[in-house]
Amino acid sequence: GAVVSQHPSWVICKSGTSVKIECRSLDFQATTMFWYRQFPKQSLMLMATSNEGSKATYEQGVEKDKFLINHASLTLSTLTVTSAHPEDSSFYICSARHRSGGTVGNQPQHFGDGTRLSIL
Amino acid sequence: GEDVEQSLFLSVREGDSSVINCTYTDSSSTYLYWYKQEPGAGLQLLTYIFSNMDMKQDQRLTVLLNKKDKHLSLRIADTQTGDSAIYFCAERPLSGGYNKLIFGAGTRLAVHP
Repeated sequence: GAVVSQHPSWVICKSGTSVKIECRSLDFQATTMFWYRQFPKQSLMLMATSNEGSKATYEQGVEKDKFLINHASLTLSTLTVTSAHPEDSSFYICSARHRSGGTVGNQPQHFGDGTRLSIL
Repeated sequence: GEDVEQSLFLSVREGDSSVINCTYTDSSSTYLYWYKQEPGAGLQLLTYIFSNMDMKQDQRLTVLLNKKDKHLSLRIADTQTGDSAIYFCAERPLSGGYNKLIFGAGTRLAVHP
């Protein structure tokens, strides 16, 4: 089945550090990848949609200069949290949509296992 | 608007059936999904239902859709301890194309002996 790998799974770093999170589709090409943020005991909030070879589309309220997204290839998207502060601590989850898309409802997005970011 | 609501917590005894409920607001949603999230992990798609269906059964899972009331439920038969997790309901509104999923807050299912 389709596999999405997210790395690292856990990051602890000092305030002011920039942190990069990678999202890779291992066995399929993904023209579109999504970045979500999940606070404890809350739902996933879509942060941005990343399209290969073009600029990401950010959801309202998400700072594009704070959360830099790069989708340089069909199998890799990165999210960089710049100058991270404690309030950026969260669980970040990526997902990828298969290039073929299609009209079937199953597996609209394949999810990674998430990255827990803790800023001290 | 787009909004998905779920009850936050459900506790059941092992072997009983679990029913997790969800309501959504966007009547244009073409597909509705149930995802499972185990601690510290991403989301696993459990099942989905197309909006023109009333029911879908997949082994221990039964999905019921009441489109008129915009109500979706997931029934897990013979609930096991391994079913303990957070279950998210999600809709895919037509306005979002194939891209956008709107998630509920998740229902935490606790299975006890």
